[in-house]
Order: sequence, then structure tokens, then C-alpha cells
Amino acid sequence: QKEVEQNSGPLSVPEGAIASLNCTYSDRGSQSFFWYRQYSGKSPELIMSIYSNGDKEDGRFTAQLNKASQYVSLLIRDSQPSDSATYLCAVNIYGQNFVFGPGTRLSVLP
Amino acid sequence: GAVVSQHPSRVICKSGTSVKIECRSLDFQATTMFWYRQFPKQSLMLMATSNEGSKATYEQGVEKDKFLINHASLTLSTLTVTSAHPEDSSFYICSARDTFTGTNNYGYTFGSGTRLTVV
Repeated sequence: QKEVEQNSGPLSVPEGAIASLNCTYSDRGSQSFFWYRQYSGKSPELIMSIYSNGDKEDGRFTAQLNKASQYVSLLIRDSQPSDSATYLCAVNIYGQNFVFGPGTRLSVLP
Repeated sequence: GAVVSQHPSRVICKSGTSVKIECRSLDFQATTMFWYRQFPKQSLMLMATSNEGSKATYEQGVEKDKFLINHASLTLSTLTVTSAHPEDSSFYICSARDTFTGTNNYGYTFGSGTRLTVV
């Protein structure tokens, strides 16, 4: 079983809709969780981090964490074409190196 | 915020030559630097972990004699691809964390990446 899993997509949503990106992880010792956005040909950039169960909001982005279900998600409200990118879920396991998921490709259609 | 400067951004080299990639933490000290490789439409794959002043730790399947890592100071780590071949063509990215202000709860900062093409 892979440590961090994501649907590869592509996930297509119309402009203005809510995009929902999901991530599951296998290690219950995971401590912190991150969402990165990666545009084609560019390096990843951090957009959200979450450490505690529940929701965390930052502008149009909301991260949701459920440690019991080993599940973390990212919601993007009012999706824009500029949000089209690959979204990487990263999990910090035992306070060591990050483990990245394979990424979900999001396409926001104008 | 923390910035990691990576150079060069693109490099084309002939098969059999060596290429050096540099990563510098500009406004923080990075005890540990991570080196990733990413093939087209694939996720980041950790190649090695570079610790200042000690030997790098390589992931399984990564040839340490081919991918030489040097981390001689708290602000500079280099990756040298030796005797490069076309199959080494990839996107190489470094990342680091501000060791002194960050905890495990802080995200890592990535360099801008190096697109290596071996012809």
C-alpha cells in the first residue's frame, strides 16, 4: 500500500465551482499535512498546511483533516482557470522527510 | 519567507559529461537539503537527503557514485550528475526547511528546479 494516495485526475470543474481534492495516507504516526500546487514545468509551492483535525481556511482554500479516517482534503472555492495545476499532498511522517502523493491534476474550465 | 535559489534553471549537455546543480538557501540556514527528481507527468521522487558536513543519504535505487551530493555549508548544497546519459534527463528540484525557526509543522521550501536534457 502506497503511503500517500491521491486520484491522479484529471479533475475538471467549471469556473466558479468548488474543486475538491482528496488524499489518504497509511501511517497513523503522520503529524502534519501539506498541500502544494505545481504548475507545469515549475517547482511546487506551498499553499496550505494543517496539523489538527477539522477545517482550516485561507482565502479561497480550505484544508480538512480527519486523522481517524486518515484523510485530508483541499477545497478550492470559486475556482479560476489560474488554479489549473497539479496539487500534491504531502505528509510528514514521524517528523522526518516528507512523503508526497502522486498528485491530482486539476483543470478549471472557463 | 524562506527562499531557496536553484541554478541553472535549464541545462543541455552531451552524453558522458557531468552537470552540477546548485541550491542556496538565501535567508536561512538549511541543515538539511532534499534532492528530488521528477519525470514528466510523474510525482516527485526523493533521491537523497543532504546533511551539512556529512555524507548524503541516498534512497534505494539511486546511484551515489552517479549523483554526487555536497553540502559543505549551511546555505549551499550541490548535486552533480556524473557521466550523464539521456535517461538522466529529468526535472531536478531541491528543497529545504528553515531549521532554526521551523518545526516539523512548517512546510519545506522548494528551489525553482533544473530541467536537465542530455543529448
